[in-house]
Amino acid sequence: QKEVEQNSGPLSVPEGAIASLNCTYSDRVSQSFFWYRQYSGKSPELIMSIYSNGDKEDGRFTAQLNKASQYVSLLIRDSQPSDSATYLCAVSSGSARQLTFGSGTQLTVLP
Amino acid sequence: DAMVIQNPRYQVTQFGKPVTLSCSQTLNHNVMYWYQQKSSQAPKLLFHYYDKDFNNEADTPDNFQSRRPNTSFCFLDIRSPGLGDAAMYLCATSPQPDTQYFGPGTRLTVL
Repeated sequence: QKEVEQNSGPLSVPEGAIASLNCTYSDRVSQSFFWYRQYSGKSPELIMSIYSNGDKEDGRFTAQLNKASQYVSLLIRDSQPSDSATYLCAVSSGSARQLTFGSGTQLTVLP
Repeated sequence: DAMVIQNPRYQVTQFGKPVTLSCSQTLNHNVMYWYQQKSSQAPKLLFHYYDKDFNNEADTPDNFQSRRPNTSFCFLDIRSPGLGDAAMYLCATSPQPDTQYFGPGTRLTVL
């Protein structure tokens, strides 16, 4: 059974702070890793993808991947109230690259 | 412009009354997915099409069926909805099995 675990939250940070979201996965042969943002009542929106070990930066977002530790994280710098949402970690593996999602971490950025 | 479109956005049906949810895409992506997401849970993959090749998840109930008449359209049929089938149904597409882009979802209510 492939599993993706996220820190359950909820996580609250003040505006302007760094939010750190963590995710571990069980399938060692996982190939691709994604972070989705989901606002309440809306569908998931892709914000980051990462495929190789190390850091990947896109604006205020940085994804970090460590395949040896089976760990992927998302840092949000200069957090804004509009970042308040549930963040879903997703991992793909297998020939069909199906996604397995974590249960999400709810982030609240306090003004 | 919306690239993955789901209709209707909200669907109310009665217990046991068949219902069909629709997904269309303007991206010409090969792969289309259907997910079920219940409140505060991760999206759960029901099945996916790679072109015309249908792939059912092992734990998807027989009550759920799908059709993909052409590249652009994919349908989810729920033959006899139960109260436990009330959820958000998400359609996603991918140019190849990997990065997935979600439509806005259909919220299904079963009375």
